[in-house]
Amino acid sequence: GAVVSQHPSRVICKSGTSVKIECRSLDFQATTMFWYRQFPKQSLMLMATSNEGSKATYEQGVEKDKFLINHASLTLSTLTVTSAHPEDSSFYICSAGDRGLVGTQYFGPGTRLTVL
Amino acid sequence: AQSVAQPEDQVNVAEGNPLTVKCTYSVSGNPYLFWYVQYPNRGLQFLLKYITGDNLVKGSYGFEAEFNKSQTSFHLKKPSALVSDSALYFCAVRVNFGNEKLTFGTGTRLTIIP
Repeated sequence: GAVVSQHPSRVICKSGTSVKIECRSLDFQATTMFWYRQFPKQSLMLMATSNEGSKATYEQGVEKDKFLINHASLTLSTLTVTSAHPEDSSFYICSAGDRGLVGTQYFGPGTRLTVL
Repeated sequence: AQSVAQPEDQVNVAEGNPLTVKCTYSVSGNPYLFWYVQYPNRGLQFLLKYITGDNLVKGSYGFEAEFNKSQTSFHLKKPSALVSDSALYFCAVRVNFGNEKLTFGTGTRLTIIP
């Protein structure tokens, strides 16, 4: 099956610093990738849709200057949390859509971000 | 707008018994329906999907789901539960055209009791 990797799996940073999370589709090309945030014991909240070669589409209420998304190639999208604060601590998950499999999204293993 | 409801936050089943995790949906148009499973501190794993065709869909790890258009449901089932099936299960829906955005249910925590 399609594999999506995410790096790092866990990161701890100080308040005010920026953190970059990478999402890669390993064995298929993904023109679209999605970034989600998951709070403890809650469902996934879609943050943005990342389109290769164009600007990301952000969901209502998500600060695009806070959560910078870059989708520079068909296999890589990055999410940068800028000037992170403790309230940004969360579990961030990416997914990649495989058009060849009728729109199935495959998810990365997630990144646990802790901002001190 | 599209939405998914998982009416049960928690489902407990004895090992070896059949299990059902419920899901109902609402979309404008024909739905694509998905089930994913999440283990602690992990991303979501794809279990199965309904696109078109047979209403009974078979997926990974012995799971299956039945699409019922009249009841707008897509319940997940397994004939005989294993302790290793204990996890968080999410139902998701999208329309079959345009935006690929998925809408997820709130999740159901399945616990299989030995």
